[in-house]
Amino acid sequence: ETGVTQSPTHLIKTRGQQVTLRCSSQSGHNTVSWYQQALGQGPQFIFQYYREEENGRGNFPPRFSGLQFPNYSSELNVNALELDDSALYLCASSLGMRGNSPLHFGNGTRLTVT
Amino acid sequence: DQQVKQNSPSLSVQEGRISILNCDYTNSMFDYFLWYKKYPAEGPTFLISISSIKDKNEDGRFTVFLNKSAKHLSLHIVPSQPGDSAVYFCAASEQSANAGKSTFGDGTTLTVKP
Repeated sequence: ETGVTQSPTHLIKTRGQQVTLRCSSQSGHNTVSWYQQALGQGPQFIFQYYREEENGRGNFPPRFSGLQFPNYSSELNVNALELDDSALYLCASSLGMRGNSPLHFGNGTRLTVT
Repeated sequence: DQQVKQNSPSLSVQEGRISILNCDYTNSMFDYFLWYKKYPAEGPTFLISISSIKDKNEDGRFTVFLNKSAKHLSLHIVPSQPGDSAVYFCAASEQSANAGKSTFGDGTTLTVKP
């Protein structure tokens, strides 16, 4: 059983640039969620995708967008990067879209915005 | 306004003793609670969960207790082992919500000394 994989592991971007992060879901999982984890804090919900559609969004601006593909892999896109976007971005897949489905996380992408 | 709080940033216990990690929440709509463990450079991994219809759930050395009236839950690890040293996140969600958004606390770093 293949777990959740994320790429790249580390990334350095300049303020104002755009970035795309990628995630492959765990085999058999149809739901993917993205979380942002700032240093010393817990993960914060960005959004969730189910059947290729955004199914819920946290308190993040529209410059954070995503995609889910037919094979359930996913992308997180962030436009007009700001210094505060520097964080660990975690992708998580789950068997269902509801709150009682445990999340299976990847190891994250560390984004640094300078 | 942090809806899930882990008030102890760190906890240190001796090997073989009990570890008790605490978590408080404020949102009455939360009815499902999960604990995740995170090692450095890895994503969080699901540990144990509890539904609000229960007050206790046990899985091997791990037991989660829920006190709904106090909006408080705790994770007990007995006996504690050095390999349990990690950051523990408490998370809460709404089972009936269409989107499985989980709200996380900021984590407690557990150190188990040999």
